Amino acid sequence: DAGVTQSPTHLIKTRGQQVTLRCSPISGHKSVSWYQQVLGQGPQFIFQYYEKEERGRGNFPDRFSARQFPNYSSELNVNALLLGDSALYLCASSLLVDYGYTFGSGTRLTVV
Amino acid sequence: AQSVTQPDIHITVSEGASLELRCNYSYGATPYLFWYVQSPGQGLQLLLKYFSGDTLVQGIKGFEAEFKRSQSSFNLRKPSVHWSDAAEYFCAVGATSGTYKYIFGTGTRLKVLA
Repeated sequence: DAGVTQSPTHLIKTRGQQVTLRCSPISGHKSVSWYQQVLGQGPQFIFQYYEKEERGRGNFPDRFSARQFPNYSSELNVNALLLGDSALYLCASSLLVDYGYTFGSGTRLTVV
Repeated sequence: AQSVTQPDIHITVSEGASLELRCNYSYGATPYLFWYVQSPGQGLQLLLKYFSGDTLVQGIKGFEAEFKRSQSSFNLRKPSVHWSDAAEYFCAVGATSGTYKYIFGTGTRLKVLA
């Protein structure tokens, strides 16, 4: 069975640019969450989506946005990139909102 | 405020020795608790989880964890460490009030000596 897949695996962007990260959940999983992991820290919650609706948002600026599609895949968008946005972005999926999540391998974003 | 504390940033053990990684949490209700492992440059792999019931939880790769409500702890243990266990370990609380999300600790990096 395919796990949570994220693309691209690595990305280099310039300050001020915009980026879109993609996530395909495990088949049958309807909930997707996004986390940011800065080097040396634990992951921080960004968004949660369930059945295509935003169920929660972490303490991130409006430059961060996301959406979930009818097939339950998801995109995370970050506008006006800052150096501090450099991080590993993790997507996680689950059958239900409040259940155990399976994480993907992440997208490593470097902003220069 | 909800939080997770992993007091040990780095731990070094010899191969074959026992291991205990500490995790303390602050959460108002009965939490969902998780341990994840992360190899360099990789995502998070779930080792074990506690939702309710038996407070001693068995996981993959020979790991176990014990939920102690009185101590607000969920320590991870392994009786005999293998070199392949070297990685970073994260404890997390599943916060169920309001938005369901994970609150992670800052992680413990495990080094295994041959």
